[in-house]
Formats: sequence, C-alpha cells, structure tokens
Amino acid sequence: GAVVSQHPSRVICKSGTSVKIECRSLDFQATTMFWYRQFPKKSLMLMATSNEGSKATYEQGVEKDKFLINHASLTLSTLTVTSAHPEDSSFYICSAKPAGANHRAQYFGPGTRLLVL
Amino acid sequence: AQKITQTQPGMFVQEKEAVTLDCTYDTSDPSYGLFWYKQPSSGEMIFLIYQGSYDQQNATEGRYSLNFQKARKSANLVISASQLGDSAMYFCAMRGIQGAQKLVFGQGTRLTINP
Repeated sequence: GAVVSQHPSRVICKSGTSVKIECRSLDFQATTMFWYRQFPKKSLMLMATSNEGSKATYEQGVEKDKFLINHASLTLSTLTVTSAHPEDSSFYICSAKPAGANHRAQYFGPGTRLLVL
Repeated sequence: AQKITQTQPGMFVQEKEAVTLDCTYDTSDPSYGLFWYKQPSSGEMIFLIYQGSYDQQNATEGRYSLNFQKARKSANLVISASQLGDSAMYFCAMRGIQGAQKLVFGQGTRLTINP
C-alpha cells in the first residue's frame, strides 16, 4: 500500500517551453501533497505544499508563477514548470500524506529528472 | 524554526556489521515526529522508521532501530547486520505540529557497504 507515482520519470525540453509533472497517489487519498526539489548530492528542499481544492502554499523564495501547482483531486497534484530555463534542471520529487490524522509518514514518488537545454 | 543536522557526509561499513547514522535536531515545537528515509541511486525516497516525540520506547522496524535521546535532541538510526543493498543516501527528517506538517530534511549521509 501507500504507492505514489510520478510521470514522467525523465524529461528533456528546450529552454522556454513548459513542462508538467504529475504526482498520483495510487491506493490512498491525499488531501495534502508536497513538492520538493533536489540538486545533485544535496538534500530535498520543499518548494510548496499542495492542498486539494485550494491554492498551494509556496516556500519563501519559490516563484509561484514559475512553478504552477494544481491539486484538483484527492489523488492527483501537478507541477508545471513554466518557461523552463537551464537553471530549472533538477530532480523534482513529490510526496503525499494520506488523509486522516493517524497517518504519520509521507510517501514519496519516484521523482522526475528534468533537463532543460 | 526546525533544523536537522547530519554530520556524517559519508560512512563506509563492512558487510554484516552494524552501523549508526547520526542525526540531531532543533525545534521549539512541543510535539514533533522524526523520520528516516533511504534514497538509493534510483532517486526514490523510501520510508524506514518513525519516532514520535512522546513515544516512550525507541522505534524499531526489522533491522532498523532509532536511538532516540530526547534530552540530547538526537535521533540516530541504527542498522543491524548491514547488507550490500543498504548502500544509499540516508536522510533524517522532522515534522512539527505547525506548518501543514511539512518535513524538514537533514543534509544526508551516504552509506557504502563493502563486501
């Protein structure tokens, strides 16, 4: 149980294009999903908290117009990197927290490697 | 503000030996949770173990145990009988009662198990 998928797993795009990354909880409902960014050999940095049916909460320094987040259902959140540039190249990973107060862990997706040329 | 510190960038251990990965934390929340995740080279984050700040006993999950010392604000991960498949990055993380329960991660420790 508690499986989270991400699509695509790897994407290469040209500078200036937009890229959409999907995060799905496959066997549970998640009212809250989180988006992280990880640079090579570094730790995960939280970008934003995605809440179903409401606007995402962005961490300080993260441009909300650059990284658009939509959490339209209890099993799907999307991250769109708009007008991507080479500095946006990174590993993006989402996590989902099962609905219900008793769940402790967040479950992570396998991540998406983005390379912007 | 919450902070997690992992002071060991890398650890090298012989197969079948036990290994301890250090983690210290700082928080002003009266209640919090501590987590350990494993990240193999494929990139996925695998949940290993959880310790609640009010839990009376140290958490254990198979070969993983958490040495929780609340007064010292430490939550070290102990892996017994290490295996080659344990080679990976290991991250300690904390979640407080504030801030939508987001996780704050440490810098990570790269563990290498030698045959």
